[in-house]
Amino acid sequence: KAGVTQTPRYLIKTRGQQVTLSCSPISGHRSVSWYQQTPGQGLQFLFEYFSETQRNKGNFPGRFSGRQFSNSRSEMNVSTLELGDSALYLCASSLAEVSEAFFGQGTRLTVV
Amino acid sequence: GESVGLHLPTLSVQEGDNSIINCAYSNSASDYFIWYKQESGKGPQFIIDIRSNMDKRQGQRVTVLLNKTVKHLSLQIAATQPGDSAVYFCAEKASGGSYIPTFGRGTSLIVHP
Repeated sequence: KAGVTQTPRYLIKTRGQQVTLSCSPISGHRSVSWYQQTPGQGLQFLFEYFSETQRNKGNFPGRFSGRQFSNSRSEMNVSTLELGDSALYLCASSLAEVSEAFFGQGTRLTVV
Repeated sequence: GESVGLHLPTLSVQEGDNSIINCAYSNSASDYFIWYKQESGKGPQFIIDIRSNMDKRQGQRVTVLLNKTVKHLSLQIAATQPGDSAVYFCAEKASGGSYIPTFGRGTSLIVHP
């Protein structure tokens, strides 16, 4: 079965712009979570959606937001981009509490 | 807050050696643990998991050991190969909590031919 798909793979934006990233989870997975990964940092949790509801949120400013659709696909938005937002954004989907999360390849965002 | 952390940021080994990557966790409620491998330019890939009712689990060339007494997790890779070079993350989950794993910072494994 298909894995987690993230689009686009690469993105270059200018400071002040906004960006939308997309994630299609594995079929049947209702939990979708987003992470930011920067050089020298671990995986920092952004938020998790489950059945179209944001269930958990990490410690990121309000410029970072997301949503989940009825087919479990999820989008993440970052408004008023800053240079420090340059990172690899990873999406993961999960079937159940006690099961692994499957990751997509990520979207590499560069803010210039 | 509670967190998962790794002891060694970088581990260098020779091809053919056995590698051991360690991880400490602090959430005593965690009962499910996962190891991920992340190669350059790719998302993390699942390697092996273990539930808290076990203290050892083996896969192909990999073994995970769990010591709940000292809240310690380790990943052993037998006969390490250059293709094993990557960053390895441990992660934890707690039943009754969310589906979100909490990740450690990662250990970079470098395998020299």
